[in-house]
Amino acid sequence: NAGVTQTPKFRILKIGQSMTLQCAQDMNHNYMYWYRQDPGMGLKLIYYSVGAGITDKGEVPNGYNVSRSTTEDFPLRLELAAPSQTSVYFCASSYPFTDSPWQADTQYFGPGTRLTVL
Amino acid sequence: AQSVTQLGSHVSVSEGALVLLRCNYSSSVPPYLFWYVQYPNQGLQLLLKYTSAATLVKGINGFEAEFKKSETSFHLTKPSAHMSDAAEYFCAVSKEGNTPLVFGKGTRLSVIA
Repeated sequence: NAGVTQTPKFRILKIGQSMTLQCAQDMNHNYMYWYRQDPGMGLKLIYYSVGAGITDKGEVPNGYNVSRSTTEDFPLRLELAAPSQTSVYFCASSYPFTDSPWQADTQYFGPGTRLTVL
Repeated sequence: AQSVTQLGSHVSVSEGALVLLRCNYSSSVPPYLFWYVQYPNQGLQLLLKYTSAATLVKGINGFEAEFKKSETSFHLTKPSAHMSDAAEYFCAVSKEGNTPLVFGKGTRLSVIA
């Protein structure tokens, strides 16, 4: 299993441009999450999804959109990039039903996308 | 609402010394508690978690944490620091399994030879 994969690894955007951050997981997890990490601030939840076709806002959703058409993919869309969206973005997934206590309810994180908006 | 406070944004220890990273939480319901580690330019990796079973939780790489309800704490410890433990550590809380995590601001651990 590749686990959680994210593309691209790095991106520089100009103010007002749009882009989609891709996230995919091959573990058949039904729960998926997007967080952003800013220096000294920890991670904050942007959006999450409990299954295909179901999404919900997190703490910092403004300026972002998501969709979940399949179990595997959970893309994050930035429509009009702003300097305040300069951050590292992490996607994660989890699943409640497993024989392993370690795996159950554990969120598995991708390697992140480092985005700079100039 | 849930919240997490990590005391100390930066902790420095000598190699072989005790590691103690502090985490206090606030939760209106019995919490699920997690410690994650982040090595430079990488994603987060689970160290250990508390999900209402044993209060002393053992994780990977020799780390452990004790859930103390009376103190609303979940401090992370390791008896003997290794150079490879240098990383950023995040404490997180959720109200139940598979709900979004609320993270602390993180503690950067430096290990001095």
